[in-house]
Amino acid sequence: NAGVTQTPKFQVLKTGQSMTLQCAQDMNHNSMYWYRQDPGMGLRLIYYSASEGTTDKGEVPNGYNVSRLNKREFSLRLESAAPSQTSVYFCASSEWRERGSNEQFFGPGTRLTVL
Amino acid sequence: DQQVKQNSPSLSVQEGRISILNCDYTNSMFDYFLWYKKYPAEGPTFLISISSIKDKNEDGRFTVFLNKSAKHLSLHIVPSQPGDSAVYFCAASALRNAGNMLTFGGGTRLMVKP
Repeated sequence: NAGVTQTPKFQVLKTGQSMTLQCAQDMNHNSMYWYRQDPGMGLRLIYYSASEGTTDKGEVPNGYNVSRLNKREFSLRLESAAPSQTSVYFCASSEWRERGSNEQFFGPGTRLTVL
Repeated sequence: DQQVKQNSPSLSVQEGRISILNCDYTNSMFDYFLWYKKYPAEGPTFLISISSIKDKNEDGRFTVFLNKSAKHLSLHIVPSQPGDSAVYFCAASALRNAGNMLTFGGGTRLMVKP
């Protein structure tokens, strides 16, 4: 099992360029998430998909769009990159349980720099 | 307004001693708490969790304590080892939220000196 995989690992963009970050999980999880990590800010939720066919905004959705392509894949798109979007992006997945641990499993991250 | 706060950005401890990492929260709807560990250039990995119906959960060298009245939780690592050097994030969740969303603190960098 690969768990959660993300591509690319690194990316440098110029202001105004667009790109899509890819994420896939092989754990048959229902829920998937995109976070960004900035120094001192922890991980902040950008968008999430509670189940296949649904997506919702998180804490910091502006400037991003997402697509839940199927149960395995959840992509994050930057339509017009800005320097403020320079960050490390993490994808995660989890199984929804009514009770008990709702542990999320994370991918290795994509380090994005916008010049 | 941060709902989950880790007020110590860094902590340095001698190998073999106890490490205590602290976390405070403001949202009384949170009823499940988790700690994640993160090494450089890797994604966070789950360490230990606790439900609000408990005040302590132990797993080997790691123990999490929850004080609901103070809205405070702490992670104890005993004994600390150099391999524990990493950034630790606490996270909180309200079980009823349909998306299993987690709210993270800003992280504490732990350095365990040999």
